[in-house]
Amino acid sequence: EDKVVQSPLSLVVHEGDTVTLNCSYEVTNFRSLLWYKQEKKAPTFLFMLTSSGIEKKSGRLSSILDKKELFSILNITATQTGDSAVYLCAVEAYYNTDKLIFGTGTRLQVFP
Amino acid sequence: ETGVTQTPRHLVMGMTNKKSLKCEQHLGHNAMYWYKQSAKKPLELMFVYNFKEQTENNSVPSRFSPECPNSSHLFLHLHTLQPEDSALYLCASSQDRADEVTEFGPGTRLTVL
Repeated sequence: EDKVVQSPLSLVVHEGDTVTLNCSYEVTNFRSLLWYKQEKKAPTFLFMLTSSGIEKKSGRLSSILDKKELFSILNITATQTGDSAVYLCAVEAYYNTDKLIFGTGTRLQVFP
Repeated sequence: ETGVTQTPRHLVMGMTNKKSLKCEQHLGHNAMYWYKQSAKKPLELMFVYNFKEQTENNSVPSRFSPECPNSSHLFLHLHTLQPEDSALYLCASSQDRADEVTEFGPGTRLTVL
C-alpha cells in the first residue's frame, strides 16, 4: 500500500533557528513529490520535486529529493513566526496522475 | 485571495439533513477535486473531475454525492451524514493533473450533530 510518512509530527523552535522536516515514502511508480504549507485552512504549494539531488530554493526554504533512499527534506533557515504552519508532503504515482498521497504533516511552531 | 471559492465556510447539520457544498474556480482549470481533512489524519482525496467527467471516486460512502455541471463549478451533496464525517472539506483545482500547481479553496468546516 502506498504511504507517505512525515517526521517529526510537531516541532517548536525560536525565531532564527533552522529546521529540517522529513518526508519518506513508499509508492509504486513514483512520479513526483510535493511540499505544501497549510496555514489555518487551505494548503499553498511550495515545491515539486521529480529528480534526485537537485535542490529547489525559494527564499529561506529549500528542499531536496533522494529517490534512492525514498525521502525528501524541507529546510527552513532563520525561521520567523510567520513560518508557523503545518507542512504537508504529498507523493504522486505514475499509474494515476490524478492522485496525491499525503502525509499527516509536520506542525511547526515558531516563537519570538 | 484564492482563485478557488467555497461556500458555505461553516456548516452545522443534523444526521437527517440534506445540504450541499459549493466550489467555484475562475482559473480556467480543467481538473477539480474534493478533499477531506480530519483532525490528526492525512488529507484524503475524495473525488476527482477532469473536463467535467469523474475520474476518481476514492471509496467514498454514497452519502457523499459529487456533481460537476461545468469545469468551473463543483458541488458535494450531503445526505444522512454521520458525526465522524465532521471535518474540513477542501476543494481544489489544477490545470489538468494533481501534480501541477494546485490551488486550494479555503474549505468548509462541517460539523455533523
